[in-house]
Amino acid sequence: QVQLQESGPGLVKPSETLSLTCSVSVDSISSFFWSWIRQPPGKGLEWIGYMSSTGTSNYSPSLKSRVTISVDTSRKQFSLMVNSVTAADTAVYFCARMTSPGGITLFDFWGQGILVTVSS
Amino acid sequence: SYVLTQPPSVSVAPGQTARIPCGGNNIGSRSVQWYQQKPGQAPVLVVYDDSDRPSGIPDRFSGSNSGNTATVTISRVEAGDEADYYCQVWDTSTDLHVVFGGGTKLTVL
Repeated sequence: QVQLQESGPGLVKPSETLSLTCSVSVDSISSFFWSWIRQPPGKGLEWIGYMSSTGTSNYSPSLKSRVTISVDTSRKQFSLMVNSVTAADTAVYFCARMTSPGGITLFDFWGQGILVTVSS
Repeated sequence: SYVLTQPPSVSVAPGQTARIPCGGNNIGSRSVQWYQQKPGQAPVLVVYDDSDRPSGIPDRFSGSNSGNTATVTISRVEAGDEADYYCQVWDTSTDLHVVFGGGTKLTVL
């Protein structure tokens, strides 16, 4: 069973950088893609981006200019940075494993989520 | 970019069948996944590749996909099925992006 756990500050000031880490309990985080998804309070899921252990990445067009995802295979962690945050970035942030069995892309394991509030 | 459209809410009585649609341009040509999310919890995959179920998901959950509409069907609905349901596809039309539908709140009356 793969377990993921988000960590990071729950409060970030406007214009600053949101930084989260996801720790993965698995033998190796290679061979998969690791993704971040967020959910503003009372709203739906929004995909942020993904990265593989080999450096292949892609981001949502609406966030691409402000987002960076990185993977640390030695620590079995991957991270999210969102620059220049505003109140619109307030959300529960989920980390998830993205896999593509037979060409299908899905999220099979998720973290519990962490609420990040942007406020001064 | 590709857009998935879901109704905000669907209501059904216990024991009946709930059908939640997900609309998209020629979605029948894509593989659709469905996630169930209960309040305060992370989403859980309940259907993948249009109609397959992960292990541990009851066979009351099924899916179909044709034309411009994919559907997740929940038979013999129970109170515990009350949740938000999201469809998801992999968009290769412009770039390799993930797309979620807006979500549907299933209410068990």
